[in-house]
Amino acid sequence: GAGVSQSPSNKVTEKGKDVELRCDPISGHTALYWYRQSLGQGLEFLIYFQGNSAPDKSGLPSDRFSAERTGGSVSTLTIQRTQQEDSAVYLCASSSPGQGFEDNEQFFGPGTRLTVL
Amino acid sequence: GESVGLHLPTLSVQEGDNSIINCAYSNSASDYFIWYKQESGKGPQFIIDIRSNMDKRQGQRVTVLLNKTVKHLSLQIAATQPGDSAVYFCAERVGVRRALTFGSGTRLQVQP
Repeated sequence: GAGVSQSPSNKVTEKGKDVELRCDPISGHTALYWYRQSLGQGLEFLIYFQGNSAPDKSGLPSDRFSAERTGGSVSTLTIQRTQQEDSAVYLCASSSPGQGFEDNEQFFGPGTRLTVL
Repeated sequence: GESVGLHLPTLSVQEGDNSIINCAYSNSASDYFIWYKQESGKGPQFIIDIRSNMDKRQGQRVTVLLNKTVKHLSLQIAATQPGDSAVYFCAERVGVRRALTFGSGTRLQVQP
């Protein structure tokens, strides 16, 4: 079946511009995560959505970053007034509802490579 | 604060040898750990996980060991193959917080 998809795969923008990154999770997955991966680094958590619950925004680095998830499916990560330090690969993951203590496996998309000039 | 790190940034092994990738974590409250494999241009792929009430878990050609006393996690890959070449990340999670904290990664290079 289809995995997590993200678009665009690459985005080049000028400093100060706004960008929107899209994530289509696996159908039926109620949990959706955004992570950021800088060059040669591990993944940094940004935000987590679970069903109709309030999202966990604790990883967003500044108020220039926001995300929404419409209809419990597609999510958009928006970065306003982009800065050069925002350049990274932005990864989305989804998972099915957890069974008690554990979540099921997080499936990652291929990411969007953002370059801010 | 929380941190998950790796001892070796690059590991080079011969095809057929066993590989061991290590990870140290600092948050003693972490109760769930995962190893991911990331190939160039792709998102991370789940390899194996382990809960904190276990000290060993085996999968196909992979074994994860957890030592809570020294807060150390390792991934063992048996009979390493060229297709195993990738960057490997350990990740941890604390309780009900679903977000994962990732280490910085180890690059595994398999020499034919």
